[in-house]
Amino acid sequence: EPEVTQTPSHQVTQMGQEVILRCVPISNHLYFYWYRQILGQKVEFLVSFYNNEISEKSEIFDDQFSVERPDGSNFTLKIRSTKLEDSAMYFCASSVRPNTEAFFGQGTRLTVV
Amino acid sequence: AQKVTQAQTEISVVEKEDVTLDCVYETRDTTYYLFWYKQPPSGELVFLIRRNSFDEQNEISGRYSWNFQKSTSSFNFTITASQVVDSAVYFCALRDSNYQLIWGAGTKLIIKP
Repeated sequence: EPEVTQTPSHQVTQMGQEVILRCVPISNHLYFYWYRQILGQKVEFLVSFYNNEISEKSEIFDDQFSVERPDGSNFTLKIRSTKLEDSAMYFCASSVRPNTEAFFGQGTRLTVV
Repeated sequence: AQKVTQAQTEISVVEKEDVTLDCVYETRDTTYYLFWYKQPPSGELVFLIRRNSFDEQNEISGRYSWNFQKSTSSFNFTITASQVVDSAVYFCALRDSNYQLIWGAGTKLIIKP
């Protein structure tokens, strides 16, 4: 069964460092998303991406964040200068269309120290 | 504004009992989609169901059933004959005219043997 895969599963980084979280969406999906979940809290939308551009982003997704589809399979989230409050589980998701179900990866737990 | 409310923070039942998780939503759009996701202790987000606003038929899938009531803006989820493996956090989510999913705070379901 096709699935969304994310790497790494856990990343520890020092405050101020850049991190890149990687995702491989399901191959026939056209819409890609990043969400985050701070421990014990609700899931929050960061950004959606379609046709090689951002289609929607939240207030959380400020200038420190960027997304890229560097090739035909990967979808990355970059945080330029991490802060302690960026510590969270980051989920990548993909869907065929925006109104269909999004399938989520296993998540990357980011810990900023 | 869009909003999803899951008023039950935590529910604890004994195995084989039936349990209903409540979800109330707010949206101004006439076309919208509702979702339920399961987050087991391992942390991934597992898609359970998608419902569009024009389809008020209730759905049953094995021990799971969903009751969509537009009149009360509710989309409740019932597990019959609960099992220990059902223990998880369950999220209700809404998508309307935007790309993003708006998430409820989640209900932690504990099934005791």
